[in-house]
Amino acid sequence: AQSVAQPEDQVNVAEGNPLTVKCTYSVSGNPYLFWYVQYPNRGLQFLLKYITGDNLVKGSYGFEAEFNKSQTSFHLKKPSALVSDSALYFCAVRDRGRYGGATNKLIFGTGTLLAVQP
Amino acid sequence: SQTIHQWPATLVQPVGSPLSLECTVEGTSNPNLYWYRQAAGRGLQLLFYSVGIGQISSEVPQNLSASRPQDRQFILSSKKLLLSDSGFYLCAWSVGGVTEAFFGQGTRLTVV
Repeated sequence: AQSVAQPEDQVNVAEGNPLTVKCTYSVSGNPYLFWYVQYPNRGLQFLLKYITGDNLVKGSYGFEAEFNKSQTSFHLKKPSALVSDSALYFCAVRDRGRYGGATNKLIFGTGTLLAVQP
Repeated sequence: SQTIHQWPATLVQPVGSPLSLECTVEGTSNPNLYWYRQAAGRGLQLLFYSVGIGQISSEVPQNLSASRPQDRQFILSSKKLLLSDSGFYLCAWSVGGVTEAFFGQGTRLTVV
C-alpha cells in the first residue's frame, strides 16, 4: 500500500529563516504527491502537488517542494518563514489501485506542526 | 467556481443519540466525495469515499455510515453515538484520479 511519513512532529524556525518540512513516501510506480496546510479548527488547504515533470514544484504562499526520486522524498520548503506560516502541514499521496492506476483515495501523513517564532 | 459546504461547524451530542452531518459541493459534476476524521492529535483517517450516487466505500469498520442521495451531497450518519466518535470530521471532494482534493471547514463533534 502507498504511504507517506513525516518524521518530525514539530519544526521550529525563526521568522525570516528558511524552513523545511520533511516527507518521505513509499509507493509502487510513479507517485502523485501533495502538500496541505491546516490552521486551527479549519479544513485543509491545498498548497501544491507533484504529478510529473520538474522536480521543483511551486505552490501557494511562497511554498515549494522538491521531489527526489532517489531519496523517495518530497520536502516542503520556503526561503523565508513568516509567523503566519505557523500551522499544521500534511503530506499526502494518491493511492494506487491493483493495476497501478491512481485511485480516488488520498493517504495522509501524520502531520508536522510548524512554529515560526518572531 | 467550486465550493464545498459542511455543517454544522460544531456539535455536542449525548452518547446514544443519532448523528447526521451533511456536505454539499457546488460548481462541479460527478465529484469524488470523502469523509475523513481527525482525532485528538492530528492524524487524518479516511472513513468513506464515494465515486457516484449510491456508491459508498467504507475504509474502516465503525459505528458510522455514509450515504450519497444526490450527486453533490454526502451525508455521514450514526444511529447511536459513542464517546469514541468525538473528533473533527472533514468532507472533501475531487475530480479525476490525480487531482488534489478540496476540503470543507470541518465539524467539531463532541460526544458527552
